[in-house]
Amino acid sequence: TQLLEQSPQFLSIQEGENLTVYCNSSSVFSSLQWYRQEPGEGPVLLVTVVTGGEVKKLKRLTFQFGDARKDSSLHITAAQPGDTGLYLCLSSGGYQKVTFGTGTKLQVIP
Amino acid sequence: EAGVAQSPRYKIIEKRQSVAFWCNPISGHATLYWYQQILGQGPKLLIQFQNNGVVDDSQLPKDRFSAERLKGVDSTLKIQPAKLEDSAVYLCASSLDRGQHEQYFGPGTRLTVT
Repeated sequence: TQLLEQSPQFLSIQEGENLTVYCNSSSVFSSLQWYRQEPGEGPVLLVTVVTGGEVKKLKRLTFQFGDARKDSSLHITAAQPGDTGLYLCLSSGGYQKVTFGTGTKLQVIP
Repeated sequence: EAGVAQSPRYKIIEKRQSVAFWCNPISGHATLYWYQQILGQGPKLLIQFQNNGVVDDSQLPKDRFSAERLKGVDSTLKIQPAKLEDSAVYLCASSLDRGQHEQYFGPGTRLTVT
């Protein structure tokens, strides 16, 4: 069974700071998705990465897929209170089992 | 486009009672997922359907949990009998197909077992 470890588990930062969240696996990802979940709601897709070494940008969010496709990172520049939420990575490509990461809870303080 | 619908939103039951959750996925989505999420943690897949067939139910506690997706559309998840550790949010999601397709989630059902 593929395990997806996320770090850090919790992060509390001031508005305007930068941060990076990591997702690491014990095995190779076929593809990886990042989701954000706000309290009382279901997760919402942010991005899908497929190719090793791939970098995708979504406004202030930058996503990287490791060359070996066993890790991924999410970097947020100049965090805002609206970025507060639970960040989740998900492996589900090909015939791999659908597995969410352990989650990173982010709080951005105004 | 209507999203994934779930009901009820909240449910409180006593241990050993039974409970059922309902999910209506986005029209045309072949794949349907049920997840269990403990507060602050990542969702755990309970069961994945492809149309009306089961793709993965390896983490479903089959002695007490059951799920069905009749006609490949709506789905129900049942717990009988419930235990205290079943207290969690139960999320339903759907996607066009298996694999790297985006999953669309419902708002979830918060279950409290007392």
